[in-house]
Amino acid sequence: AAGVIQSPRHLIKEKRETATLKCYPIPRHDTVYWYQQGPGQDPQFLISFYEKMQSDKGSIPDRFSAQQFSDYHSELNMSSLELGDSALYFCASSLHNRDRGPNEKLFFGSGTQLSVL
Amino acid sequence: KQEVTQIPAALSVPEGENLVLNCSFTDSAIYNLQWFRQDPGKGLTSLLLIQSSQREQTSGRLNASLDKSSGRSTLYIAASQPGDSATYLCAVRPTQGGSEKLVFGKGMKLTVNP
Repeated sequence: AAGVIQSPRHLIKEKRETATLKCYPIPRHDTVYWYQQGPGQDPQFLISFYEKMQSDKGSIPDRFSAQQFSDYHSELNMSSLELGDSALYFCASSLHNRDRGPNEKLFFGSGTQLSVL
Repeated sequence: KQEVTQIPAALSVPEGENLVLNCSFTDSAIYNLQWFRQDPGKGLTSLLLIQSSQREQTSGRLNASLDKSSGRSTLYIAASQPGDSATYLCAVRPTQGGSEKLVFGKGMKLTVNP
């Protein structure tokens, strides 16, 4: 079965550079989520999109932006990178059920390991 | 603010033991609770999802229970194997604040020794 695909798998950037992370959800899934997991930390919610509209926002810095495209893939754009942005960035997807609301299982990708030097 | 706690942070056991992993959360206003497995440097694999109206879910050697009123969930692993070694995280989906996000515990690192 197709899973959530993230690219790139690894990314090395220098301070003040920009980075773009991509996420391709499971086919037919209409909701994507972005999470950040620092070393030894639990995943922290950044932002989510449902049907190409932002549906919720967490601890996402103003230097970051994201969007969901017509084919439901999503991109996380990160600018003015800082050392503290080094983390594993996960994308997850789910199929929003109109009747049951946000009760669907989330499926996570393998993540993008971002290292800022 | 919802907080999720997993104690202990790490556990090392011999192969074959039956295990109970604990998860507690501070606010019972949740849609569901999900258990994940994470291998080092890898993504999160969903193991079980329990809706707020359910008491337990089972998949193979795994059984997860939910007591929403007391803010507790347990993940039971029967006949543990070395391949079960990983970090196990529980996460709840709060009903407040947009309810799209999951709130994770810090995980429990399990080592099953052959």
